[in-house]
Amino acid sequence: AQSVTQLDSQVPVFEEAPVELRCNYSSSVSVYLFWYVQYPNQGLQLLLKYLSGSTLVKSINGFEAEFNKSQTSFHLRKPSVHISDTAEYFCAVQYQGGSEKLVFGKGTKLTVNP
Amino acid sequence: EAGVVQSPRYKIIEKKQPVAFWCNPISGHNTLYWYLQNLGQGPELLIRYENEEAVDDSQLPKDRFSAERLKGVDSTLKIQPAELGDSAVYLCASSHNQGHPYEQYFGPGTRLTVT
Repeated sequence: AQSVTQLDSQVPVFEEAPVELRCNYSSSVSVYLFWYVQYPNQGLQLLLKYLSGSTLVKSINGFEAEFNKSQTSFHLRKPSVHISDTAEYFCAVQYQGGSEKLVFGKGTKLTVNP
Repeated sequence: EAGVVQSPRYKIIEKKQPVAFWCNPISGHNTLYWYLQNLGQGPELLIRYENEEAVDDSQLPKDRFSAERLKGVDSTLKIQPAELGDSAVYLCASSHNQGHPYEQYFGPGTRLTVT
């Protein structure tokens, strides 16, 4: 079965500390990978995506994620977080050659404390 | 450019009552999605439309849920009758069907509480 696993449901960190949010997926076919962010009472916003090419992708606000095919992982990292990064982060997979359906993980709640 | 619009943002109803949610996708987006997001979970696809046609409704509980997308623009998702377990956030998303994969843009969602 196709699935996405986000290993940590909650990640508390202090401001300016580094953070890694983990994501693993199961698939027998090639995939596209996404990270979405959801601020309180808002919809999901695309943070970054891997489609092909360089396995390291970056967002405009300092997040980056690396696609590791052998580990079937797409972990999200930021070297120094801000209070404003507090949100829920969802990893999602779209299977190549299939429908456009996104399969989401259960989400990781990142809380940045002062 | 306006984003995906959903209304209402919040709805509280008693069980066994009907309820409807409305979605207006981004202008020009041919594909429209309805997702269900339970508390503490990621979104799960309910139905996907390509223009007016429902091309994937395999996860839609058809005994009580229905959806329509007349004229291939706005869409309505209905539950009749609602059950306590339907309490969740209902998200609408849209995408343009040029290029692949199609980046999906999400609305703010409708939070349904069934009492």
